Amino acid sequence: DAGITQSPRYKITETGRQVTLMCHQTWSHSYMFWYRQDLGHGLRLIYYSAAADITDKGEVPDGYVVSRSKTENFPLTLESATRSQTSVYFCASSEDRRSYEQYFGPGTRLTVT
Amino acid sequence: GQSLEQPSEVTAVEGAIVQINCTYQTSGFYGLSWYQQHDGGAPTFLSYNALDGLEETGRFSSFLSRSDSYGYLLLQELQMKDSASYFCASNSGYSTLTFGKGTMLLVSP
Repeated sequence: DAGITQSPRYKITETGRQVTLMCHQTWSHSYMFWYRQDLGHGLRLIYYSAAADITDKGEVPDGYVVSRSKTENFPLTLESATRSQTSVYFCASSEDRRSYEQYFGPGTRLTVT
Repeated sequence: GQSLEQPSEVTAVEGAIVQINCTYQTSGFYGLSWYQQHDGGAPTFLSYNALDGLEETGRFSSFLSRSDSYGYLLLQELQMKDSASYFCASNSGYSTLTFGKGTMLLVSP
């Protein structure tokens, strides 16, 4: 089915472990984004990508790594998870020059113990 | 940098009209977007204002005043299903959005 999907939807991991959150979109949108959402902070941009092999930091990139080898996929990796990275993570995509209209995935709820 | 301020919570009754305000401070500004997010769900795009004035989309309208660095989302004929969080977001170029912290709208019968 067309759209933007994220996996896993829920994840519990331990401090220090590496974890990768997946994001896949079927619209061939140029731009893809990763946000984290925490109570009291709204949505904060972690990383974004304008196209395959082009990525850039957002507001809160520390502790995260991204890659984009294919237009449709934009995985987010926490290299060594910390409790402060417990959050809900949303992936989003948009057409080129229409970043004001972003389409969000269902989110991944990550708990780091 | 950019920052956006919006009230944390607004309450209203079914059938009423409610306005959610957003003020912004930006180093560059192209426009203001609004998103809705139901509890546990994904944000969904509602509207975008690049120019001053009112944009209407059904029961929802959005307004922008660049001179006042101010915008608002107007929801008419409120329904219970409108209970959600609403976020304003600004873009300073074609690439990214900066979101406000969100306004929780509680609609009561």
